Amino acid sequence: NAGVMQNPRHLVRRRGQEARLRCSPMKGHSHVYWYRQLPEEGLKFMVYLQKENIIDESGMPKERFSAEFPKEGPSILRIQQVVRGDSAAYFCASSPPSGGGYTFGSGTRLTVV
Amino acid sequence: AQSVTQPDIHITVSEGASLELRCNYSYGATPYLFWYVQSPGQGLQLLLKYFSGDTLVQGIKGFEAEFKRSQSSFNLRKPSVHWSDAAEYFCAVDPYSSASKIIFGSGTRLSIRP
Repeated sequence: NAGVMQNPRHLVRRRGQEARLRCSPMKGHSHVYWYRQLPEEGLKFMVYLQKENIIDESGMPKERFSAEFPKEGPSILRIQQVVRGDSAAYFCASSPPSGGGYTFGSGTRLTVV
Repeated sequence: AQSVTQPDIHITVSEGASLELRCNYSYGATPYLFWYVQSPGQGLQLLLKYFSGDTLVQGIKGFEAEFKRSQSSFNLRKPSVHWSDAAEYFCAVDPYSSASKIIFGSGTRLSIRP
């Protein structure tokens, strides 16, 4: 019974490239959340998705960032034209439809050089 | 404004001593409440959670937390810390008590003095 799987664990991109971060929720979990953690800071909510729907994207930057959770396959957080300030740890969490049981993945650490 | 506050940025305690980490929230209704722990370079592990019922919640690794409605607090405690407890601790709130987003406090870094 695997937990929340995130890959890659580490990702290095040059400025201007695209970053794709993947998250496979726990079995039976239909809700996915993405959070960003800047160095020495807490976690900031980015987006909440259900299958094929974005429920709350109030924490997403207006430009360059997008997220999806297709009917089949993992959730994807996509960052276009990355800049140094995008360097952070990105965490995914999932929960069942009833809520209250959030499980986090190990995160993807993005470094922009 | 709605928020989760962890007033202590960094705490150092001696091994074997007791620990209390503070957390206050400012949401109108009683939200779902959580404590997570994060070791350096790692993900977050759930220590305990409160939804309703008994206000004293037992968690893993010997931790407990007490919900106090009158103080809007959910403080984390441990009677005797171990060196392996050194980590970052985050209080978190689901303000709508549902499968909505959860909001994290800024964290408290715990160091253990040998």
